[in-house]
Amino acid sequence: NAGVTQTPKFRVLKTGQSMTLLCAQDMNHEYMYWYRQDPGMGLRLIHYSVGEGTTAKGEVPDGYNVSRLKKQNFLLGLESAAPSQTSVYFCASSYSASGVGADTQYFGPGTRLTVL
Amino acid sequence: DAKTTQPNSMESNEEEPVHLPCNHSTISGTDYIHWYRQLPSQGPEYVIHGLTSNVNNRMASLAIAEDRKSSTLILHRATLRDAAVYYCILGSSGTYKYIFGTGTRLKVLA
Repeated sequence: NAGVTQTPKFRVLKTGQSMTLLCAQDMNHEYMYWYRQDPGMGLRLIHYSVGEGTTAKGEVPDGYNVSRLKKQNFLLGLESAAPSQTSVYFCASSYSASGVGADTQYFGPGTRLTVL
Repeated sequence: DAKTTQPNSMESNEEEPVHLPCNHSTISGTDYIHWYRQLPSQGPEYVIHGLTSNVNNRMASLAIAEDRKSSTLILHRATLRDAAVYYCILGSSGTYKYIFGTGTRLKVLA
């Protein structure tokens, strides 16, 4: 099992450019999440999905869109990148066998994005 | 959202036990207590979680206060590879949102 993988690992964008970050998991998890982590900070939830075809806003959703067309993939899009979106982006997935609240999240290695 | 409070940093000598504290005075009865750690340049990884009783696994032990307003992550013998940021997080029933604070940066001295 590869677990949770993220593509790409690094990316540099110019202000106004767009891009899509791909997250893939091979654990058949229902729930997937996108977080961002700024220097010296904890992770903040951007968007999440509780199943194929469903998405919901997290704590800091502005400037991002997501899609979950397949159960194993969760895409994060930046339509018009801004310097404030320079961050490390982490994807996670979980399978709520014990119920929400007891869930264990499995994280990918991260994507380091710089917006100039 | 229930919040947690942790010290910004701690130090430990290698091969000695480490007790990482976490306060969560606003915890509700159905909130689970989770601990994750983040090694340098990596994503967070699960360490342990519990609800009311103390928990042990191969990585660590979790001691939960009787009133559940605080908990302690115990690393029984710290190694250099345990140097990381440790996050104490509450998992609330009915929400998929984990609130990551700034965590405790653990430094292990050789």
